[in-house]
Amino acid sequence: SQQGEEDPQALSIQEGENATMNCSYKTSINNLQWYRQNSGRGLVHLILIRSNEREKHSGRLRVTLDTSKKSSSLLITASRAADTASYFCATDAEAPQGAQKLVFGQGTRLTINP
Amino acid sequence: EAQVTQNPRYLITVTGKKLTVTCSQNMNHEYMSWYRQDPGLGLRQIYYSMNVEVTDKGDVPEGYKVSRKEKRNFPLILESPSPNQTSLYFCASSLSNPSYEQYFGPGTRLTVT
Repeated sequence: SQQGEEDPQALSIQEGENATMNCSYKTSINNLQWYRQNSGRGLVHLILIRSNEREKHSGRLRVTLDTSKKSSSLLITASRAADTASYFCATDAEAPQGAQKLVFGQGTRLTINP
Repeated sequence: EAQVTQNPRYLITVTGKKLTVTCSQNMNHEYMSWYRQDPGLGLRQIYYSMNVEVTDKGDVPEGYKVSRKEKRNFPLILESPSPNQTSLYFCASSLSNPSYEQYFGPGTRLTVT
């Protein structure tokens, strides 16, 4: 079953602007992760936020998590052409024996125009 | 260098001809998994392994087999490939379970005619 769902599916902005992507999920989680994928390549881990955290920063990335709304957002500030990629959120379903599966959303395709 | 390797990177085959896609990691990770990526469907998990000799089905296991005889290797086996298995496949590994950062391989683009 689909756990994480990103919104919007596609986003096109000008270089230097900020980009915001959202992710919603359905069940309780331990962690939520964001990944980036350049066209046809393997996914690269960007940031992990734990269920007891509300905000996390890494360079130009800012991630927020609202467990009451089961949603997260990824903000990329001062975007660059190199940020053009697809971005995925992934959630691990909480389980007594420990999380065993990671479920990815369908991704947001971000295009940065020069 | 810490990495996940997959072979082959590209493969074109015919329906029914058994094939194996290899996956190897050099980080002593316990958790490994296989995903397929299709347009409009995102990444879907095929199989995962919590440790040696421990494997379990993901969301789309039909038509696939896996084995985990050694910690570093997690091959994906298609006993009788069909055209609906044409896809981009990714292997990934993490320290002990999926709550940790996943390291992805470069992908294997499979076409079944």
